[in-house]
Amino acid sequence: GQNIDQPTEMTATEGAIVQINCTYQTSGFNGLFWYQQHAGEAPTFLSYNVLDGLEEKGRFSSFLSRSKGYSYLLLKELQMKDSASYLCAVMDSNYQLIWGAGTKLIIKP
Amino acid sequence: IAGITQAPTSQILAAGRRMTLRCTQDMRHNAMYWYRQDLGLGLRLIHYSNTAGTTGKGEVPDGYSVSRANTDDFPLTLASAVPSQTSVYFCASSDGLANTGELFFGEGSRLTVL
Repeated sequence: GQNIDQPTEMTATEGAIVQINCTYQTSGFNGLFWYQQHAGEAPTFLSYNVLDGLEEKGRFSSFLSRSKGYSYLLLKELQMKDSASYLCAVMDSNYQLIWGAGTKLIIKP
Repeated sequence: IAGITQAPTSQILAAGRRMTLRCTQDMRHNAMYWYRQDLGLGLRLIHYSNTAGTTGKGEVPDGYSVSRANTDDFPLTLASAVPSQTSVYFCASSDGLANTGELFFGEGSRLTVL
């Protein structure tokens, strides 16, 4: 079956750096996505990786290794507003998105 | 700019009742989707539509139906609601997942079936 694994919850300190990991086993691969979802709100798009390597976008970076079935989202200079759930999703060979359960990130002052 | 609008935002209904969740987008996206989100689980696709006039089944389609009469609207109907359909429902659209992968989500409809 298809599976996306990410930690359920992480805690970090304001101003610090945190890395959220995502491992996947899917039928084919057509890209990996990270979304941010604040409590009670809709998910919003953060990043899209289809080739191996690091994609940087401001304080957020996303890394992909297709051979390892692995990605991470790196958040730098953490702010209180970064407290949210971070969803990892993989597009399979049928161009359907398979979603992880999300990682709840708690930022402490 | 509205983006995607869902209605109602919240609803409580009795088991066995019929319910339609409405979804409208103004971005002229071809593809639209309905997901449900339950605690501890990832978003699960219920139904999708790649273009007006076509629909397809997702991962958890049983008990739900959709229609896509035009580009903008994509209603989701529960013919006879059951308590296991208690969830938060998100409608989403995209301009082609194969291009950028970006889905635009509505604010969600929280449904409680008693």
